[in-house]
Amino acid sequence: SQTIHQWPATLVQPVGSPLSLECTVEGTSNPNLYWYRQAAGRGLQLLFYSVGIGQISSEVPQNLSASRPQDRQFILSSKKLLLSDSGFYLCAWTAGANVLTFGAGSRLTVL
Amino acid sequence: AQSVTQLDSQVPVFEEAPVELRCNYSSSVSVYLFWYVQYPNQGLQLLLKYLSGSTLVKGINGFEAEFNKSQTSFHLRKPSVHISDTAEYFCAVSSDTGRRALTFGSGTRLQVQP
Repeated sequence: SQTIHQWPATLVQPVGSPLSLECTVEGTSNPNLYWYRQAAGRGLQLLFYSVGIGQISSEVPQNLSASRPQDRQFILSSKKLLLSDSGFYLCAWTAGANVLTFGAGSRLTVL
Repeated sequence: AQSVTQLDSQVPVFEEAPVELRCNYSSSVSVYLFWYVQYPNQGLQLLLKYLSGSTLVKGINGFEAEFNKSQTSFHLRKPSVHISDTAEYFCAVSSDTGRRALTFGSGTRLQVQP
């Protein structure tokens, strides 16, 4: 069966520090991968999606970047965090059936 | 472009009462519709989906939703709620073209009171 893992689950970082959130999927190949952000009290905003290794599309201009070094690995990064980067980050995947399966999320607090 | 509007940010309801969470969408192409539930500090769990076929879809935990194309709505219903249904509910839409990502509404907080 397919599973999705995200880590770390919780992260507290100072302003200006770097960020790396990792997401991996097991039990499938060539999935579409997505990063969403959920700010406090708000809905989910699509940040990045990827249809294959090295193929990244950015949905909104921001302080973050994404990479897909392997088929089932999706990484969200920043060189210098801002206060506004705080939020709940969710990774998701789909194998083409339009049903997204989400990871448990990573809560980032920037102080 | 697609968009989703969840008309109620919060819905308080007493236990065992019925509930309806409203969702309207806009899209220029055929859509797929979803409801997800999020419990505190957790990821999103799929409640139900409409891809094609019958416009009344049944999901987990006793929830159901009806796709109404003429009213561009996909309201979520449950005839009798439990305390454990307290959570955030998100309506989402996608299409069969392009990036296949979901566009979410802003969410509805369902608060079930004893």
